[in-house]
Amino acid sequence: QVQVVQSGAEVKKPGASVKVSCKASGYTFINYGITWVRQAPGQGLEWMGWISAYNGNTKYSQKIQDRVTLTTDSSTSTAYMELRSLKSDDTAVYYCARSRSLAIPYYFDYWGQGTLVTVSS
Amino acid sequence: ENVLTQSPGTLSLSPGERATLSCWASQSISTNYLAWYQQKPGQAPRLLIYGASSRATGIPDRFSGSGSGTDFTLTISRLEPEDFAVYYCQQYGSSPLFGPGTKVDMK
Repeated sequence: QVQVVQSGAEVKKPGASVKVSCKASGYTFINYGITWVRQAPGQGLEWMGWISAYNGNTKYSQKIQDRVTLTTDSSTSTAYMELRSLKSDDTAVYYCARSRSLAIPYYFDYWGQGTLVTVSS
Repeated sequence: ENVLTQSPGTLSLSPGERATLSCWASQSISTNYLAWYQQKPGQAPRLLIYGASSRATGIPDRFSGSGSGTDFTLTISRLEPEDFAVYYCQQYGSSPLFGPGTKVDMK
């Protein structure tokens, strides 16, 4: 069965970077994309970016494209999201999800459990 | 840039009642690239509907989606206790975007 498992919670200081991992199993990793979505406490869902696990093509939200990098490692079926220059309003639960296309950001059918990133001095 | 609006913000209903949730886009969504997700407290979102009207795997048939262009609707025909949650519409394709959500709570 398809599973997406994320790395554990992180606490970071303002200005630091964080890298969250997302390990997929139960399907052929390179046949799909991975998207990243975040949710600030008590708020809605914010799409951050998408990466094709097939060829590494990416698409980012204009809001954070200068601070985020998405990568994948097909040898381990793992995707990574790195967010730099952290600010307090980056405090959120970060989700990865499988995207039902390797060509464009598509709908998201299997989600990780979420990773809480807390930015605090 | 497209903007998604959902209404109402909160819908207070009883189990067994019908729920009708709306999602409007400021610009037409091509190829009906519109999905609906359900999210319960402390859980990841769950895909319900894609392509505006196709149910995702394992989703009960009391959930249905309709609409095209700029106006979309999620209908829950008879609310079960486990359906009380927040529902988000989402545009996908070149510029993914979520709506602000509709909370369905128990009257």
